[in-house]
Amino acid sequence: QVQLVESGGGLVKPGGSLRLSCAASGFTFSDYYMTWIRQAPGKGLEWISYTSGSGFTIYYADSVKGRFTISRDNTKNSLYLQMNSLRAEDTAVYYCVRGLDFYDYVLTYWGQGTLVTVSS
Amino acid sequence: DIQMTQSPSSLSASVGDRVTITCRASQSNNNYLNWYQQKPGKAPKLLIYAASILQSGVPSRFSGSGSGTDFTLTVSSLQPEDFATYYCQQSYSIPLTFGGGTKVEIK
Repeated sequence: QVQLVESGGGLVKPGGSLRLSCAASGFTFSDYYMTWIRQAPGKGLEWISYTSGSGFTIYYADSVKGRFTISRDNTKNSLYLQMNSLRAEDTAVYYCVRGLDFYDYVLTYWGQGTLVTVSS
Repeated sequence: DIQMTQSPSSLSASVGDRVTITCRASQSNNNYLNWYQQKPGKAPKLLIYAASILQSGVPSRFSGSGSGTDFTLTVSSLQPEDFATYYCQQSYSIPLTFGGGTKVEIK
């Protein structure tokens, strides 16, 4: 069965960096677009980034463009999110998400999330 | 960007009630409209995609309808496990965008 497990969250100071990882299993990782979604405490869902199966097509939300970098290693079935210049408003649970077959943007399989807290 | 507006932001209902949540898009999204359920401390769960297709394993009391810019999620008979927050999301264009959520609470 599809499984997504995020790691790498934690407490970081404003201006700091953090790298999130997502280990995927149960499917052919390179066949699927992958997405990062975040949710600030008590708030709604926000799409932040997406990468094609090959990693050649990448998009970012304006809120993270220039600060965050999505990448993937298909040999390791892993997705990453490098987060630099972190701000208090980046505090959130970050989810790694896979789409449905033939519907890449239908967010079907979610990890358990990893909490990132940006605070001095 | 396509803005998604959900209403109401919260509602109180009883077990057995019929509940309807609406979602309006700022422009047509060709029915690329999805609904998710989220319980506290858990990741969202896909309920309905392409406006009206029930995701595998989701109870048939959930249904979706609508087209163009106006969409509806209906729960025909609310069950105790349905008390949660519901989100709509457009999957027509990047950036993917969500409605603000509807919290369904016990009356």
